[in-house]
Amino acid sequence: ILNVEQSPQSLHVQEGDSTNFTCSFPSSNFYALHWYRWETAKSPEALFVMTLNGDEKKKGQISATLNTKEGYSYLYIKGSQPEDSATYLCAYNTDKLIFGTGTRLQVFP
Amino acid sequence: DVKVTQSSRYLVKRTGEKVFLECVQDMDHENMFWYRQDPGLGLRLIYFSYDVKMKEKGDIPEGYSVSREKKERFSLILESASTNQTSMYLCASNRDILYSNQPQHFGDGTRLSIL
Repeated sequence: ILNVEQSPQSLHVQEGDSTNFTCSFPSSNFYALHWYRWETAKSPEALFVMTLNGDEKKKGQISATLNTKEGYSYLYIKGSQPEDSATYLCAYNTDKLIFGTGTRLQVFP
Repeated sequence: DVKVTQSSRYLVKRTGEKVFLECVQDMDHENMFWYRQDPGLGLRLIYFSYDVKMKEKGDIPEGYSVSREKKERFSLILESASTNQTSMYLCASNRDILYSNQPQHFGDGTRLSIL
């Protein structure tokens, strides 16, 4: 059974704080790793699709790194804003996506 | 921008009813997916389809069926609704082959309650 784990489960930070969370996935038969942001009452939105070991991607103040050999990816948010409050999902791509349970981020003004 | 539209945001049905959840995408995507999301669990794949009239079981297909008569539309059917099917249902689509690196595009979800 393929397992994708995310930590922490939830996170509360102040506006302006930087934060990061982790996605762990099987290191064998790796194909791709997806990150999504899911805001309340909206649809999940794709942030990154990462395929190469050592890859680093950036979108505004959000960035992600990938280590396929050890099976983890980090998502960083620099200078969090209240509008960054959302659940962040990662998903391991084999013949389908296997999702983690997400990290719920709340940014307080 | 890709638009994935689910027919209802909220739906209340009774045990034993046959329930249809509809999903339409407007970007000519080959692949379409149905997931359910429950507290404490990740999104779990129910069924997916990679072409018209093609369907594949996901991780939790029991109690569900699907229909894809047209490329843009993918329907999820609860044959005889039960209370343990109360959940948030999400439809998604993406292009190209299943092993592609294309992200999935999601609808807003349908929160289904079975009484």
